[in-house]
Amino acid sequence: DADVTQTPRNRITKTGKRIMLECSQTKGHDRMYWYRQDPGLGLRLIYYSFDVKDINKGEISDGYSVSRQAQAKFSLSLESAIPNQTALYFCASSGVDGYTFGSGTRLTVV
Amino acid sequence: AQSVTQLGSHVSVSEGALVLLRCNYSSSVPPYLFWYVQYPNQGLQLLLKYTSAATLVKGINGFEAEFKKSETSFHLTKPSAHMSDAAEYFCAVRGNNAGNMLTFGGGTRLMVKP
Repeated sequence: DADVTQTPRNRITKTGKRIMLECSQTKGHDRMYWYRQDPGLGLRLIYYSFDVKDINKGEISDGYSVSRQAQAKFSLSLESAIPNQTALYFCASSGVDGYTFGSGTRLTVV
Repeated sequence: AQSVTQLGSHVSVSEGALVLLRCNYSSSVPPYLFWYVQYPNQGLQLLLKYTSAATLVKGINGFEAEFKKSETSFHLTKPSAHMSDAAEYFCAVRGNNAGNMLTFGGGTRLMVKP
């Protein structure tokens, strides 16, 4: 099993729908992150969490929310999806051994 | 604040040729610098990192990068490109911000011609 697992791998949804992307890690890391990747823009930070009770907005948090259900689980929600949220989303965790990234969720909003 | 600029969103080289991917950073504190590679339909994999030890850093798959403080650069090189090196490469910086988050450059897609 992968150290950081994201589900689903691919998702197509309609404008206005609520959607949740899930992430779980087996690294035992306290810190978890959600990034989105857009061509030419690299990865930009959406939200990050230092532990279950600590959640912080990143560079581009508008239109997104997160939930840290447990040390190992960090989900990202789009309350009302819009087409410009079409992107590749990555979850990551970090500890003293560095960052570990999931394989990504490709989200298309039509 | 910290930022990363990768010059050239696309780089094309012939198999066996030198690979040079450019990265410049800005950071108000001594940075930690990273290069990640992303193969198609995969996540990011760490190639190498600079953490204030030796300025020439060797990574996996024959890649290396040199930290040049005077030029605020951390360019990635490989003497001889292989077809399997075709991927997207990201430079990232981690400064002294809260949480030690990574800030990424825009990425460079490397194409290797036979």
